[in-house]
Amino acid sequence: ETGVTQTPRHLVMGMTNKKSLKCEQHLGHNAMYWYKQSAKKPLELMFVYNFKEQTENNSVPSRFSPECPNSSHLFLHLHTLQPEDSALYLCASSPRVVSGYGYTFGSGTRLTVV
Amino acid sequence: DQQVKQNSPSLSVQEGRISILNCDYTNSMFDYFLWYKKYPAEGPTFLISISSIKDKNEDGRFTVFLNKSAKHLSLHIVPSQPGDSAVYFCAASGNSGGSNYKLTFGKGTLLTVNP
Repeated sequence: ETGVTQTPRHLVMGMTNKKSLKCEQHLGHNAMYWYKQSAKKPLELMFVYNFKEQTENNSVPSRFSPECPNSSHLFLHLHTLQPEDSALYLCASSPRVVSGYGYTFGSGTRLTVV
Repeated sequence: DQQVKQNSPSLSVQEGRISILNCDYTNSMFDYFLWYKKYPAEGPTFLISISSIKDKNEDGRFTVFLNKSAKHLSLHIVPSQPGDSAVYFCAASGNSGGSNYKLTFGKGTLLTVNP
């Protein structure tokens, strides 16, 4: 399988639940990203990983916890979320962090917090 | 403060006509600009890009124009087809290092091409 794959595609969770989003890329890229897309807002960068190391946390609340066990996999662990966290969460990868070139996005996880 | 602005949330065009999507940016460190296309329930896909050393880049029906002095870029689609109906995101980054390397996105413009 090629490209960037995200699971699950849809997720409904209560505010007290704990869930995880998964992202996998088979492109040989060294950088991976989590983005959040809320209605009528730009895509917001949440986290950046370069060679498995987190290089950026864009002031994301601690109820979102990323994990990058290797360059091909990225997780976003969710706990005690709020209804306003409902959004489309997109994973992306790129050959390297220092350029905007070559980003490939997954299809996203549509998250609804009830 | 938004560094990449797409001031038109939507655009409706007749099939066969030209679609023009606009984007403005404020960060003078940006030197690489991209357009992404997004269908519902899918992630954004890369469409076309332009480096700041150019003022035009063409790929089939898609042409991106860059006006650095005005900090403005536009995407022209001609002729427009119903399958072009999607949300188009403008994005920018700076390749010169520092924090500007990140892709910064606009809010997107929903293009509807009517048959």
